[in-house]
Amino acid sequence: GQQLNQSPQSMFIQEGEDVSMNCTSSSIFNTWLWYKQDPGEGPVLLIALYKAGELTSNGRLTAQFGITRKDSFLNISASIPSDVGIYFCAGQLGWGAQKLVFGQGTRLTINP
Amino acid sequence: GAVVSQHPSWVICKSGTSVKIECRSLDFQATTMFWYRQFPKQSLMLMATSNEGSKATYEQGVEKDKFLINHASLTLSTLTVTSAHPEDSSFYICSARGDSPSNQPQHFGDGTRLSIL
Repeated sequence: GQQLNQSPQSMFIQEGEDVSMNCTSSSIFNTWLWYKQDPGEGPVLLIALYKAGELTSNGRLTAQFGITRKDSFLNISASIPSDVGIYFCAGQLGWGAQKLVFGQGTRLTINP
Repeated sequence: GAVVSQHPSWVICKSGTSVKIECRSLDFQATTMFWYRQFPKQSLMLMATSNEGSKATYEQGVEKDKFLINHASLTLSTLTVTSAHPEDSSFYICSARGDSPSNQPQHFGDGTRLSIL
């Protein structure tokens, strides 16, 4: 089945640093989604991308839908302590009741 | 918008009992709901997809008689873990999606921590 390769698996950074993570796939997706999950909670949608080449921002977060439709990245600028958590990318093949394919997650730890 | 509520958030019960978890879309009509299972430090594993008024579609390896899913209305889906055993202990998360642009991506509930003694 489809798989998403998400990297890095973990990051240890200083507060204020910028963060970059990405997902790649051997399959083409029509939608890319980025979620953040805090311990003991469900994932929260951060950014949704629907068009190849699309660059979308949400506050300090910026994500792009790769031109080939096989990759996406998420950048976080000027990290703060509340950015700590696990970030998941997810790809969706099409519209309608299509299930998501998730990456393995990137665990972000921030040293104050 | 696109708020999904899951209940209970935590349940502990004895082996052999059945446990029901509810997933509600609070401010939109969820045409499709999904149930996931997540083990510690791992990604989400899709268990089944359910559409309102029809039978759920289970992923390969998921026992449909063990994990009963009901999606009786456009705002409520339930997952019942029947005759639960310790190996069923896990974090179960539901998600829901609607048809409008704001709720088309899957939005997740806060999860249910299930512990079987």
